[in-house]
Amino acid sequence: DAGITQSPRYKITETGRQVTLMCHQTWSHSYMFWYRQDLGHGLRLIYYSAAADITDKGEVPDGYVVSRSKTENFPLTLESATRSQTSVYFCASSEPHRGPNIQYFGAGTRLSVL
Amino acid sequence: GIQVEQSPPDLILQEGANSTLRCNFSDSVNNLQWFHQNPWGQLINLFYIPSGTKQNGRLSATTVATERYSLLYISSSQTTDSGVYFCAVERSADSSYKLIFGSGTRLLVRP
Repeated sequence: DAGITQSPRYKITETGRQVTLMCHQTWSHSYMFWYRQDLGHGLRLIYYSAAADITDKGEVPDGYVVSRSKTENFPLTLESATRSQTSVYFCASSEPHRGPNIQYFGAGTRLSVL
Repeated sequence: GIQVEQSPPDLILQEGANSTLRCNFSDSVNNLQWFHQNPWGQLINLFYIPSGTKQNGRLSATTVATERYSLLYISSSQTTDSGVYFCAVERSADSSYKLIFGSGTRLLVRP
């Protein structure tokens, strides 16, 4: 039971580069979410997806792009990384149509933009 | 949007002590979860508790939805309880299943 996995766990990149963070879940959950965690802000929602090919913006979407061609994958792309995107990124999934909306989180990706 | 406030922001306990963490929210909710973020950064679900009381070992939680707050009780604290505790809510009027997080309570349990 792999659950929800994120890769890479750590990433260092330079400003202006494109970087993609991967998220994969094995539960066939319909909903998937991307959050970022910064000191003093808790977790803030970047983007979410209700199903394959259905995505929507969260609280802080600027500078990010998502796609969801398959139910199990929800990659997050920083098209031109900036230092302000240095953060810890968490992916989560849930299945609210089969019970309560309990979100389960991956281990996170720590991204540093130099 | 909905505001989620957690208190206290920081808490230091001696091992064996009890504590109460509070989460206030500014709008009606149909989902409230408590999470523990361990020192390695992993977010662990503790409770799904939109209303009522639940207990799991030394931890229990109570949500009074009509008064818009939730409490997390930790009894006989252990060093492994250290970390950050987050409350997250889903606003009733929002059909997108998004969670809004509080800023967390950072707990340090000393041996």
